[in-house]
Amino acid sequence: EVQLVESGGGLVQPGGSLRLSCAASGFTFSSYSMNWVRQAPGKGLEWVSYISSSSSTIYYADSVKGRFTISRDNAKNSLYLQMNSLRAEDTAVYYCARDREVSQIDYWGQGTLVTVSS
Amino acid sequence: AIQLTQSPSSLSASVGDRVTITCRASQGISSALAWYQQKPGKAPKLLIYDASSLESGVPSRFSGSGSGTDFTLTISSLQPEDFATYYCQQFNSYPQKTFGGGTKVEIK
Repeated sequence: EVQLVESGGGLVQPGGSLRLSCAASGFTFSSYSMNWVRQAPGKGLEWVSYISSSSSTIYYADSVKGRFTISRDNAKNSLYLQMNSLRAEDTAVYYCARDREVSQIDYWGQGTLVTVSS
Repeated sequence: AIQLTQSPSSLSASVGDRVTITCRASQGISSALAWYQQKPGKAPKLLIYDASSLESGVPSRFSGSGSGTDFTLTISSLQPEDFATYYCQQFNSYPQKTFGGGTKVEIK
């Protein structure tokens, strides 16, 4: 069974930093591209970042470019999101999500809440 | 950037009703579209992939159609467990992705 478990969320002040982690199991993590997707309270889904299986290709949404860094450790079956210079508008549940080959997201984690507030 | 517009943003329906949700892309995306269901406090769940293919384990009352710019998600006979928010997602610009604004299906 595919499982994605996020951690690392919490309350942080504006301008602060936070590192999210996603532990993957139930599939060959090193063979799949991964994403971070977020959802602000009461709002829709927003794709944040993508990383290919080998980390050779990385993309970011314009809203986080230059502030967030995605990475992975295939030996540890883990995905990460380093978030710097956090703003109030970054407040959201952050989901770790797996791509099905070169196509849509097929599995999601349960999410971790990040709150940016003073 | 490709934008997706879902309509309606919300609807009220009764158990047994046929429900149709539309998703319009700002430019042609072939069949690079997926549909997700999200219940409160839960992660989204994949229902339809490649515009019209039913994900394994998803009830057959769900169906998807369309290509190019206009897409439809249909629930043939709404069940109590179907009350949720539905999102479309394009991956024509893979690996960058875009989601529609969502359609909340509520009980009438």
